[in-house]
Formats: sequence, C-alpha cells, structure tokens
Amino acid sequence: EDKVVQSPLSLVVHEGDTVTLNCSYEVTNFRSLLWYKQEKKAPTFLFMLTSSGIEKKSGRLSSILDKKELSSILNITATQTGDSAIYLCAVERFGSRSGGSNYKLTFGKGTLLTVNP
Amino acid sequence: KAGVTQTPRYLIKTRGQQVTLSCSPISGHRSVSWYQQTPGQGLQFLFEYFSETQRNKGNFPGRFSGRQFSNSRSEMNVSTLELGDSALYLCASNERSSGAQETQYFGPGTRLLVL
Repeated sequence: EDKVVQSPLSLVVHEGDTVTLNCSYEVTNFRSLLWYKQEKKAPTFLFMLTSSGIEKKSGRLSSILDKKELSSILNITATQTGDSAIYLCAVERFGSRSGGSNYKLTFGKGTLLTVNP
Repeated sequence: KAGVTQTPRYLIKTRGQQVTLSCSPISGHRSVSWYQQTPGQGLQFLFEYFSETQRNKGNFPGRFSGRQFSNSRSEMNVSTLELGDSALYLCASNERSSGAQETQYFGPGTRLLVL
C-alpha cells in the first residue's frame, strides 16, 4: 500500500525564521510529488516535482525532490504570519490496468505550521 | 476564468439517507477528482473522472459513487449515509498534460454533516 509520511506534524516559529518541512514516501511506479497549502479552506496547489523537474521555487518557497531517498523538502524562508497553514504532501503514482492507464494520489497527514509575530 | 464551483456548500442529512454533491471544473479541464477530508484521516482520494470515464478509485466502499457529464461537470453520490461520512468533500479540477498531473485547483468544498 502506498505511504506518504510528513514530518514534523506541527511546527511553531517566529516571523523571519526559515522552516523545512519533510515528506517521505513509499510508492510503486512513482510519477510525481505535489505540495499544497491549506488554510481554513480548500488546499491550494504549490508545486509539482517529477523526475524531470526535481527542484521548484516560487518566491520564498522552494522544494526539492530526492528520488534516491524517496523524499522531498519544502523550504520557506523569511516566514510571515500569512504562511501559517497546514502543508500537505501528496504522491502520484502511475498505474496501469486493462483498457487504459490511471493515476492515483496519496496524501500525507500534513504539517501544521504556525508563524508567530 | 471562473474557478471550481461546488454545490451545495453545506448539507445536513440523517443516517440512511443519500446525498448528491455537484462540482463544475474550470472551463477546459476534462479531469475532476473527488476527495474526502476528515480530522482523523486527513485528505483521502475518492475517485477521478476524465472525459466521462472513471479513471481511478480510492479505497472507499461502493456506497460512494460518481459520474461525469459531457460538459465535464461531475457529481458524487453517497448512499445509505453513516455518521462517519461527515466530512468536507473536495472536488479538484485537474490540468493534465499527456495524462500526467500538471496543476490542480480545488473547489471550496461541501461540508456534510450526518446526524
């Protein structure tokens, strides 16, 4: 069964700190790893990492995929109170079945990040 | 571009009833995924539809079903509701390239309470 484990479960930091969130996975036929941010509403897509795109950056957020270690990190620099949220990691695998192919997404439980002023 | 819309936003039902939730994806997106989110289990994949065909299904009982129409709108149905079905049901509109996930946009969700 596919597994996605995120650590830490929760984290409290002060504004301006840099944080690193971890995601490790056990998935057959890995296709991609996705990061999401969820505040008090639906998740917001952040990044998708694949074998051909193992590093992504957007402003203060960046993410790296380590296919050898089967893990990924999400870095947030110069944190702000608006970064407070649950950060979710999901892994997509490619599966095949007769009549067509399909993709399946498995989510981790998330890391609750609290940024205090 | 309009975002993903889900209706209704809130719903209260009693055990044994059935419920139908609706999702309209972003215009041009042909793939829709459904998820259940609860405090205990987190976000769990229900199923995905692409061009009116179910592409994949998560580990949920047969009481959970869905369909997609030719305009890409999707519905999910839960029959014989149980207390444990109380959750936030999220729909996502998927932008795929050559079948693989590129980006994903979530709707606001339908919060279902089963009494």
